[in-house]
This record gives sequence, structure tokens and C-alpha cells, in this order.
Amino acid sequence: AQKVTQAQTEISVVEKEDVTLDCVYETRDTTYYLFWYKQPPSGELVFLIRRNSFDEQNEISGRYSWNFQKSTSSFNFTITASQVVDSAVYFCALCEGSDSNYQLIWGAGTKLIIKP
Amino acid sequence: DTGVSQNPRHKITKRGQNVTFRCDPISEHNRLYWYRQTLGQGPEFLTYFQNEAQLEKSRLLSDRFSAERPKGSFSTLEIQRTEQGDSAMYLCASSLEGITKQFFGPGTRLTVL
Repeated sequence: AQKVTQAQTEISVVEKEDVTLDCVYETRDTTYYLFWYKQPPSGELVFLIRRNSFDEQNEISGRYSWNFQKSTSSFNFTITASQVVDSAVYFCALCEGSDSNYQLIWGAGTKLIIKP
Repeated sequence: DTGVSQNPRHKITKRGQNVTFRCDPISEHNRLYWYRQTLGQGPEFLTYFQNEAQLEKSRLLSDRFSAERPKGSFSTLEIQRTEQGDSAMYLCASSLEGITKQFFGPGTRLTVL
């Protein structure tokens, strides 16, 4: 069973629009960690955020915000006032606390296109 | 502050040839990971090292694949007798111990003709 689902394969919006990228995860562990990474066209994965399962506070960093909802097993990512430079593939990933090897389990990614 | 570096960035080879990739992690990071990423997919875990010890290998890693990290610093990933299905981006990441963020290199794109 897929443990990290990013149902949106591709999203296209016009610059300055807000956009939300969905991430739904599945785990039986009570301790786990969720991540978001950005992969711009250059290919290098860039870390955005890490959140542990005990911290349900939403987080805001500039134009980026994350909404963690344990009740729905979701960890969604919102970009406010999007810019062309936000165009990239965004990945959500899960690390289960029971995994001593700390492997990241990745979603398939959402390709975000911001049109000028 | 130098990040993770990988060489070469691109490799084109003929089927049946051997290829070797190198990854230089961030110097103080004791964990090093190899992933494979195909078009339209997220990275797939291949293997990882803590210092020089290879602690985990994915079932994806057939016996044609071997990885080393001899002195706990840089790592090499070798693919023997390459097949067209090996064409992918090979990513290296490093981190400190524990569930911390992994820093990724730019990847090596392999094309097997």
C-alpha cells in the first residue's frame, strides 16, 4: 500500500494566486516525521520542512505554510502569492519512527507550474 | 559551506558497460544515502551508510549494483553490466545521525543506450 499519496500530479496557476499541495500519508507508528522537499528544474532536492507527529502546530515561513492534520493523516503545503520561481516538483515524504534506518518514503510528487 | 557533490553529472553508456558514480557528502555528516529517481516519480531508496558501514540495502539493488564508503567520507556506486532499465537519476544525500533533514546532491543522470 502506498504510504505517501500526492494525488495532484500537476497544478498550474497564474502568478500571485495561492496554491495548496496535498499530501496524505499512512502509518501505524505513533512517532513519525513528515517532510516536504522542492525539486526545481535543476534537479537538486531542497529541504523545506520537517515536522514530527507530536507537533500539530501549523507552521508559516514567509509565503509558505503547512497544515498538519493527524485526524485526516494529511500534511498539506500552501504557497501564498505564488511566484514563477516557485515552479518545481514538490515531494512529501514520511519517516517512520520504528524504522531504525530512518528511510524516507516518498510520494510521487506534484509538479507546480506558475505562469506569469 | 559546501554541499553534497556528485560526479559525473551526466553519464551515457552502452548496455553491458560498467559505470561508477561518486558522491562527496557534507564533511561532518556520518550518514550517506543513495536513491534512484525515474521520470515522474519520487526518489527510491537504494542503500545507506553510517560512517563506513553499509547498514541497509533495498531489494531494488540487484547484485549488479555495489556501493562503498571506504573511509566513511565519499561513496561510490557501481553498476555492472548496465541495462536500459538502469537509466535514471541517481541521487546521493547525507545527514547527521537521527531523523534529520537529508541534504541532496545534484544527482548523476545515467542514460543506457
